[in-house]
Amino acid sequence: AQSVTQLGSHVSVSEGALVLLRCNYSSSVPPYLFWYVQYPNQGLQLLLKYTTGATLVKGINGFEAEFKKSETSFHLTKPSAHMSDAAEYFCAVKDGYNKLIFGAGTRLAVHP
Amino acid sequence: DTEVTQTPKHLVMGMTNKKSLKCEQHMGHRAMYWYKQKAKKPPELMFVYSYEKLSINESVPSRFSPECPNSSLLNLHLHALQPEDSALYLCASSPLQGINYGYTFGSGTRLTVV
Repeated sequence: AQSVTQLGSHVSVSEGALVLLRCNYSSSVPPYLFWYVQYPNQGLQLLLKYTTGATLVKGINGFEAEFKKSETSFHLTKPSAHMSDAAEYFCAVKDGYNKLIFGAGTRLAVHP
Repeated sequence: DTEVTQTPKHLVMGMTNKKSLKCEQHMGHRAMYWYKQKAKKPPELMFVYSYEKLSINESVPSRFSPECPNSSLLNLHLHALQPEDSALYLCASSPLQGINYGYTFGSGTRLTVV
């Protein structure tokens, strides 16, 4: 079964620093990958999704993700963190039944 | 309208109560989903509806009963729940149950069973 693994349950950065949230997938075939963000007491918002053939995917709020087949990774980055980026971030994959399966999540803290 | 609306936002119910959660979308999406999210955990899929028909039940206990009366509305009927069922219940929709579609999520119903 397809799955994703998020490395690091908590990441802490300073405001203005680079944000890097890690996600690795398990599939041997090109997967369909997504990044979602969840702010406290809210639902999930789609940040970006991987489209087959693209290596760099741009999303909302200045986030982007790079698909690296050789490393089976789809890490999320943002050049400069804002305080408003503090939230829970989930990497997700569509499995063979088109079900969206989430990774364990990474909580991002941004310090002044 | 690009939203999924869930009501109520908060619900407290006793173990003998019957209650319902409601989810509505007007984006013309033909696939709708229920997820359960425990604190500090990722969402877990419960049910999938495709063209108003139940297509996936992830072995959810029968005390949870989904219903899709029309293409815009999804309900989750609750009966005889246990305290461990307390969680955030999220509804989502997508254009179809297709490979590359992301889901649009509602803000959830926070359920407490006492």
